[in-house]
Amino acid sequence: KQEVTQIPAALSVPEGENLVLNCSFTDSAIYNLQWFRQDPGKGLTSLLLIQSSQREQTSGRLNASLDKSSGRSTLYIAASQPGDSATYLCAGSGGSYIPTFGRGTSLIVHP
Amino acid sequence: IAGITQAPTSQILAAGRRMTLRCTQDMRHNAMYWYRQDLGLGLRLIHYSNTAGTTGKGEVPDGYSVSRANTDDFPLTLASAVPSQTSVYFCASSSLAGVTHNEQFFGPGTRLTVL
Repeated sequence: KQEVTQIPAALSVPEGENLVLNCSFTDSAIYNLQWFRQDPGKGLTSLLLIQSSQREQTSGRLNASLDKSSGRSTLYIAASQPGDSATYLCAGSGGSYIPTFGRGTSLIVHP
Repeated sequence: IAGITQAPTSQILAAGRRMTLRCTQDMRHNAMYWYRQDLGLGLRLIHYSNTAGTTGKGEVPDGYSVSRANTDDFPLTLASAVPSQTSVYFCASSSLAGVTHNEQFFGPGTRLTVL
């Protein structure tokens, strides 16, 4: 069974800082890993999807990497802005094929 | 319709009542899912369907049932609601490449309170 862990649970940073969110998974036979953003009271918005054959994906100020051997994915946010404040979740699809979610990192970017 | 829609947006329900949460997608995705999200517990899979006519149990299926009569619709039914089913319910969909679940897309959620 795939288990996904996100550390830290919460993070507060000043505007402009570059930051890294971490996602660990137990099943190295992962098929893909997806990063989401969730604003309070809202649904999940897909940010990036990394296939097992890829090492990273980029979208604007976001860069996600995948290291299957170490069981880790990171989401790098460059030049953070207050509008980046949200909860960020990762989900890994592994041997059971159904995506399994971490509990998320709650990010606050203060002006 | 664009993406995934869920109805109702929110509902207050008396314990013991039957309730169906609706989910419709217009992306022709094979796979659909129902999750519940609770504070401190994250997102947990209730049921899923890889294609019309088939369904499977997730992590927390007890007290819930689903059906998948066609590609677009995936309703979730609570036969006799209990207070522990108070939660926010999200429907999602994705395409399948063989057995691999591709990028998931989520609906806006249904906030359900069972009294």
